[in-house]
Amino acid sequence: GIQVEQSPPDLILQEGANSTLRCNFSDSVNNLQWFHQNPWGQLINLFYIPSGTKQNGRLSATTVATERYSLLYISSSQTTDSGVYFCAVTDTGRRALTFGSGTRLQVQP
Amino acid sequence: NAGVTQTPKFQVLKTGQSMTLQCAQDMNHEYMSWYRQDPGMGLRLIHYSVGAGITDQGEVPNGYNVSRSTTEDFPLRLLSAAPSQTSVYFCASSPRSGVIQETQYFGPGTRLLVL
Repeated sequence: GIQVEQSPPDLILQEGANSTLRCNFSDSVNNLQWFHQNPWGQLINLFYIPSGTKQNGRLSATTVATERYSLLYISSSQTTDSGVYFCAVTDTGRRALTFGSGTRLQVQP
Repeated sequence: NAGVTQTPKFQVLKTGQSMTLQCAQDMNHEYMSWYRQDPGMGLRLIHYSVGAGITDQGEVPNGYNVSRSTTEDFPLRLLSAAPSQTSVYFCASSPRSGVIQETQYFGPGTRLLVL
């Protein structure tokens, strides 16, 4: 099955710093989503982005499907951004998401 | 809309006991699925359903049963709990089952401890 690799596995930032999280996948996808899992365990949709670029406030994401990667940008980070960020994809013919192992982000005040 | 709801929030079982994790959605979504999340890992698919009466296995289906008698509900049954099933369980749904090219919505999760 499709492989999803996320980097870095852990990231510590000072409040106000910017960061880039990366997601590489091993095959063509027809669905790519970014999720934030907050410290209470809730999974929150950030972006549905199988290709192209989207922005939502301080967060933006870019997927280059032909090169099989996606990037999540967090600008002016806040302590509330802490948690785990997951990339999840669906490859052609499947009906479920395959998750990466996540990037654990800690934003310090 | 309540979205995707899961009960219970937390459960402790003894090895060999059975139980049902409940999942319901009020968005009239066709597609529903169950994932488990183990410490330090992403989510892995257990079972999914593309509509009432239709279910299929995911990546880690052993030890779990599902059924989908209504659009709204998708319960997950543990037949004989084992310590390896200690995990956090998430239910998810999305509007259409014809394609998976859309956002999935997750419930708050059920934490299960099997002793």
